[in-house]
Formats: sequence, C-alpha cells, structure tokens
Amino acid sequence: KQEVTQIPAALSVPEGENLVLNCSFTDSAIYNLQWFRQDPGKGLTSLLLIQSSQREQTSGRLNASLDKSSGRSTLYIAASQPGDSATYLCAASRLYSGAGSYQLTFGKGTKLSVIP
Amino acid sequence: SQTIHQWPATLVQPVGSPLSLECTVEGTSNPNLYWYRQAAGRGLQLLFYSVGIGQISSEVPQNLSASRPQDRQFILSSKKLLLSDSGFYLCAWTRGWETEAFFGQGTRLTVV
Repeated sequence: KQEVTQIPAALSVPEGENLVLNCSFTDSAIYNLQWFRQDPGKGLTSLLLIQSSQREQTSGRLNASLDKSSGRSTLYIAASQPGDSATYLCAASRLYSGAGSYQLTFGKGTKLSVIP
Repeated sequence: SQTIHQWPATLVQPVGSPLSLECTVEGTSNPNLYWYRQAAGRGLQLLFYSVGIGQISSEVPQNLSASRPQDRQFILSSKKLLLSDSGFYLCAWTRGWETEAFFGQGTRLTVV
C-alpha cells in the first residue's frame, strides 16, 4: 500500500526566502506525482504534475522534482511571498490492476506561513 | 476551459438525516470522477470513483453511496448520516488515469 509522507508538517519563513517542501512515497511504481495548494476551507488547486518519466517541472517561481528510485519529490518555491501562505499537498498516483482501481494517495500536507 | 462545481459549500445536518452532495464538470466529456473526504488532521481519503455513467467503484466500506446519472454529474449520498460522516468532501475529475486531477471547492459537512 502506498504511503506518502510530507515533512515538515508546518513551516514558517520570512518573505523573500527560498524554500523546499519535501514529499516521500513508499512505492516507486507511480504514474505521476502532483503538487497541490489548499487555502483554508477551500478545495485543492493543482500546481504541478510530474509524469513518472520526467524528473522536474517548472511553473513561475515553482519547481518540482521527482526521484522515483529514492521515492522523493521536492517543491521549490523561490522568493516566497505572503500570498504563498497555504497548505501544500503532494499526491502519488497508481493504478492497482488487481483491484481494478485507481488511487491518488495524498500526504497530510505542509502548512506554509510566509511572514511579511 | 474545464470547470468543476460542487454544492452546497457548507451543510449542517442532524444525525439520521439523508445527504445529497452534487458535483458537475463542464467543458469536457467522459471524465473520470472522484469523491474524496478530508478529515481534520488526516490526509485525503478516496471514497468513490467512476469511469462512466452508472459505473461506481467504492474504495472504503461506509455509510455513503455514490451515483453517476449523467456523464458529467456525480452525486454523493447517504440514507442516514452518522456523526463520523462529518468532514470536508471534495469532488475531482481527470481526463484519464494518468492525467492531472482537478478539484472542486469542497463541501464542509457537519453532522450534529
């Protein structure tokens, strides 16, 4: 069974700092890995999707990397801003052929606070 | 562009009452649809998924059921709510098994 862990659970940084959020998964047979942002009381906003054949994806100040062999992904945020404050979730996807089911397994998230 | 709608945004229901949460997707056809629940301090848990009209798969045995009466409509239901059904319910869609997942804004359900 896939398990996804995100460390740290919470992070507080001053504005302008570069930061890295970590995500680890136990089963390397993933289809893709996706990073989401969740604001309090809101749904999830997709940030970046990394296919299993890729090593990284970039969007603006965000860069996500994937190392399947070590079961790790990182989300790098450059020049952090107060508006980046939110909970960041990573999710690993896999199709379980035996059960015929698709599973997107989420970590519990890292709550980021960017202090002005 | 594609959009996903969920309603209601918040709901307070007494124990034993029925439940119906609705999710619709616009701008695409034959999406894979999912219902997730997010409980406080826990990760998102997949409840149901559907690959087509009338096709529902359940991941976790529970007091809930799902239906897909139309291609882009996904409904989460319960005949009698339990206190443990409280949580944040999220609907999501993908274009296939391997593609990006998009989520609705969620429904905060409180069972009292």
